[in-house]
Amino acid sequence: GQQVQQSPASLVLQEGENAELQCNFSSTATRLQWFYQHPGGRLVSLFYNPSGTKHTGRLTSTTVTNERRSSLHISSSQTTDSGTYFCAIASSSFSKLVFGQGTSLSVVP
Amino acid sequence: EAAVTQSPRNKVTVTGGNVTLSCRQTNSHNYMYWYRQDTGHGLRLIHYSYGAGNLQIGDVPDGYKATRTTQEDFFLLLKLASPSQTSLYFCASSDEYNNQAPLFGEGTRLSVL
Repeated sequence: GQQVQQSPASLVLQEGENAELQCNFSSTATRLQWFYQHPGGRLVSLFYNPSGTKHTGRLTSTTVTNERRSSLHISSSQTTDSGTYFCAIASSSFSKLVFGQGTSLSVVP
Repeated sequence: EAAVTQSPRNKVTVTGGNVTLSCRQTNSHNYMYWYRQDTGHGLRLIHYSYGAGNLQIGDVPDGYKATRTTQEDFFLLLKLASPSQTSLYFCASSDEYNNQAPLFGEGTRLSVL
């Protein structure tokens, strides 16, 4: 089945530094989403991005479909960015997502 | 406002006990999902449903039963709970259009002693 690998598993940044989170997947993805999880809390959608580049605020998602990879760039990190970031893939038109293990980000003052 | 509400938020039970986790969505979504989250595994799909009375098996269904009684309500049942089912459980809902991200509840933390 579809496999999703995220790296790094964890990351510690000084406030103001940039971060690059990676997502690699084993087969073609018709859907790709990035989620953010508040510490111990619910997941919220950041991007739907099966191909190309999308921006929102300090976040940029870039997906290269034929290379089966996506990245999430966080610029000028803030302590409020701390949490876990998940990449999730669906390889068919059905709404069933497969999640990566997540990247735990900690931004310290 | 669109919402997914889970109850209880926290639950402690003993090995062999029965547990029911509840989820209600007010989004008029067809699809509902139960996931479990464990360190090192991300979120794994237990069961899902695309309408009242419908049930589909996810990736880690063993030891779990689910019931979709209405479009709004989706239940996860653990009969004879085991310590391996200690986890953080999330419910989510989505509509039939695949570019819409599912909406998640706040999670239920279950401990099986």
